[in-house]
Amino acid sequence: AQSVTQLDSQVPVFEEAPVELRCNYSSSVSVYLFWYVQYPNQGLQLLLKYLSGSTLVKGINGFEAEFNKSQTSFHLRKPSVHISDTAEYFCAVSEDTGFQKLVFGTGTRLLVSP
Amino acid sequence: DAGVIQSPRHEVTEMGQEVTLRCKPISGHDYLFWYRQTMMRGLELLIYFNNNVPIDDSGMPEDRFSAKMPNASFSTLKIQPSEPRDSAVYFCASSFGTSGQETQYFGPGTRLLVL
Repeated sequence: AQSVTQLDSQVPVFEEAPVELRCNYSSSVSVYLFWYVQYPNQGLQLLLKYLSGSTLVKGINGFEAEFNKSQTSFHLRKPSVHISDTAEYFCAVSEDTGFQKLVFGTGTRLLVSP
Repeated sequence: DAGVIQSPRHEVTEMGQEVTLRCKPISGHDYLFWYRQTMMRGLELLIYFNNNVPIDDSGMPEDRFSAKMPNASFSTLKIQPSEPRDSAVYFCASSFGTSGQETQYFGPGTRLLVL
């Protein structure tokens, strides 16, 4: 069964600084990888996803992530964060088995301060 | 489209009472998921349906929890009797397709507090 590890529970950063949120996964088969964002008191929404092809994936709001198969990682990055990026970020994985089951990491809270 | 709709948005009840959470998925979606989010356990998948049929309910914590999907546009998650440890945010999500690549669209959640 697949699993996801987000090592950082909280990442504080100053506005306009770069940020990287780390995600590692484990699976015995091919996977699809996702990053979702949850703003306060809202549901989750998709930031980006890796299905196949180019390992660098660009998403909404200037975020991007890179799939690294050898390191089983899918880290999320943004070159310059805004106050409005303050939110909880979830990495998730689904296996290429024809089923829809997503397994989420525990989340990383990004705190952007002025 | 209005997105996934959940009701109520907030629910406060007393231990032992029955709680029913409701979800309307996005029209045309054939998968529906129920998740629970807590500080201690994070986001947990409770159950999911495909074409109104429950596919995997291994995440349902115990027999006090039950979920139904009587038609393509409505699902319920019921807790009877409720306990304080059931306090959490419950999300419903829907998607279309079976390849595992699809995006899941989440509702705003129901914040449940059991006293």
